[in-house]
Amino acid sequence: EIVLTQSPGTLSLSPGERVTLSCRASQSIAGYLAWYQQKPGQAPRLLIYDASNRATGVPARFSGSGSGTDFTLTISSLEPEDFVLYYCQQRSEWPITFGQGTRLEIK
Amino acid sequence: EVQLVESGGGLVQPGGSLRLSCAASGFTFSSYEMDWVRQAPGKGLEWLSNIRSSGSATFYADSVKGRFTISRDNARNSLHLQMDSLRAEDTAVYYCARARVAALGTGAFDIWGQGTMVTVSS
Repeated sequence: EIVLTQSPGTLSLSPGERVTLSCRASQSIAGYLAWYQQKPGQAPRLLIYDASNRATGVPARFSGSGSGTDFTLTISSLEPEDFVLYYCQQRSEWPITFGQGTRLEIK
Repeated sequence: EVQLVESGGGLVQPGGSLRLSCAASGFTFSSYEMDWVRQAPGKGLEWLSNIRSSGSATFYADSVKGRFTISRDNARNSLHLQMDSLRAEDTAVYYCARARVAALGTGAFDIWGQGTMVTVSS
């Protein structure tokens, strides 16, 4: 199965800062990568699909890039509500797999 | 409003069975592939199973293959997960999710239910 490795596990930042989260695949997945945000006690929410396409209603401060094995999610200016968990997920082949997550915490 | 609502979770003994349901509304259910994803307490997301829009094909994670069965009833806009031979490690919140239509392959999960908790314990 394709293993997705997210780094770092936790990031400490301040509101207003720019952040880039990384997701690396164990083999090429072309552009078949999605990013999700999960707030405590809630279901995940789709942010980015197919590496760089923002889902409906997602603020423009979220952007995704990458192809092959290396992908990034960038938040251009952190809002207080962005300090939660983020997961990447590949749909290139079965089984679908998720990364282990990156947590953003307020410094 | 596009919505998915899971039901059927609860406490079950090891070796027991449970059937989860997911009621869909606000969209043409029969046009979308559907999936189940779970999250153990304090852990990450684990994909479990997918079913094609017509129900013609299904896919499973190795961790549940042979124990769990996904199915759907397009006439009733419902998705199901029959879980047999349950183990303590199956304890998790179970989410149903809609796979967005993709040009190639299955799509990302654009709509999620609120989840239903399954606890496997004696």
